[in-house]
Amino acid sequence: DGGITQSPKYLFRKEGQNVTLSCEQNLNHDAMYWYRQDPGQGLRLIYYSQIVNDFQKGDIAEGYSVSREKKESFPLTVTSAQKNPTAFYLCASSNVVGYEQYFGPGTRLTVT
Amino acid sequence: EDQVTQSPEALRLQEGESSSLNCSYTVSGLRGLFWYRQDPGKGPEFLFTLYSAGEEKEKERLKATLTKKESFLHITAPKPEDSATYLCAVSGTGFQKLVFGTGTRLLVSP
Repeated sequence: DGGITQSPKYLFRKEGQNVTLSCEQNLNHDAMYWYRQDPGQGLRLIYYSQIVNDFQKGDIAEGYSVSREKKESFPLTVTSAQKNPTAFYLCASSNVVGYEQYFGPGTRLTVT
Repeated sequence: EDQVTQSPEALRLQEGESSSLNCSYTVSGLRGLFWYRQDPGKGPEFLFTLYSAGEEKEKERLKATLTKKESFLHITAPKPEDSATYLCAVSGTGFQKLVFGTGTRLLVSP
């Protein structure tokens, strides 16, 4: 089955620690995205990548970093510089940037 | 600025009671309008893409329509399993990202 996997489903970290969220897709999509979802707010774009070895900042990139070394993988690192990291993180992919995106199951990150 | 507004924020229906969800949008040059369904604690599930005014798409009890300013998601004879948050998003020809609304939480009671 083609799809997007995110791991882990739940993640707990202490304040001041960096943490990396995994995202893998086997849909052969060129574009991948990271969003953050908070209660009562729409999805907010953190970073996106149109092709391997290229990525652009979204609306809320501060305190986050990404890499795109393989077409299938787009990991997100939440750094200690992110002031309010507790949230639900969603990874998505699309065949072409700007068209329908397909989402993974999400990772809920809690930082205390 | 490109914007998406969904209404109502929440909607409670009885099983079998048809209704519509609204998505109003402002975008300079519509590339596509997208509907998603999201269950609690899960990622959004893609439902439809609409590209131009007058277009309609259907899937089971759901029907999406599009005008130049808004889209409607019509739910006919809903069942409790249709309970979810429905998200709308738009993509314009001038940019590469999707702009999402905050969603409509639908609860269908038996």
